Amino acid sequence: GENVEQHPSTLSVQEGDSAVIKCTYSDSASNYFPWYKQELGKGPQLIIDIRSNVGEKKDQRIAVTLNKTAKHFSLHITETQPEDSAVYFCAASKRGFKTIFGAGTRLFVKA
Amino acid sequence: SQTIHQWPATLVQPVGSPLSLECTVEGTSNPNLYWYRQAAGRGLQLLFYSVGIGQISSEVPQNLSASRPQDRQFILSSKKLLLSDSGFYLCAWSAGSFSTEAFFGQGTRLTVV
Repeated sequence: GENVEQHPSTLSVQEGDSAVIKCTYSDSASNYFPWYKQELGKGPQLIIDIRSNVGEKKDQRIAVTLNKTAKHFSLHITETQPEDSAVYFCAASKRGFKTIFGAGTRLFVKA
Repeated sequence: SQTIHQWPATLVQPVGSPLSLECTVEGTSNPNLYWYRQAAGRGLQLLFYSVGIGQISSEVPQNLSASRPQDRQFILSSKKLLLSDSGFYLCAWSAGSFSTEAFFGQGTRLTVV
């Protein structure tokens, strides 16, 4: 089955700096890669996603890249703000079915 | 619009007691339903998924079971809780064919004492 590795487990940045979170997946048949943000005591919420026919996607300060050959994908947050502080999860699935998550990255943005 | 309800929000149960967590989805039909567990400071582990009424697949051997008595209802149960069952339980749904995003409930924080 699918296995998703996520790094780093904790990331601390200064407000205004960029943050990068990296993930790898094992199942070459996976074709949908969402990123979720989880705030304390709440369920995860989708922030951006990318499909296997796309190499990069951007939404304001957030961007994702996908390297299908290497089975790597990354989340890039630019101009970080304190409200970006949360736990971020990468995930992989085949068309959204049985989403498998990485272990999460706790992001701290220091004001 | 679709919504997902999960309850209770918090639960404290003694070791050996039974468990029943309920999840319902509104505004969609024939969803794929999932139960995840999140241990403290860790990722989301898929426990069960269901593609239809009465169809349950288990991802990991454990002390828990799941049932889907109705199309939009998913129940997580245990006959006798263990200390190791403590965690944050999340119900989620995704659309059927050609689905993409999984939508999560607000979660249940279970503490077994």
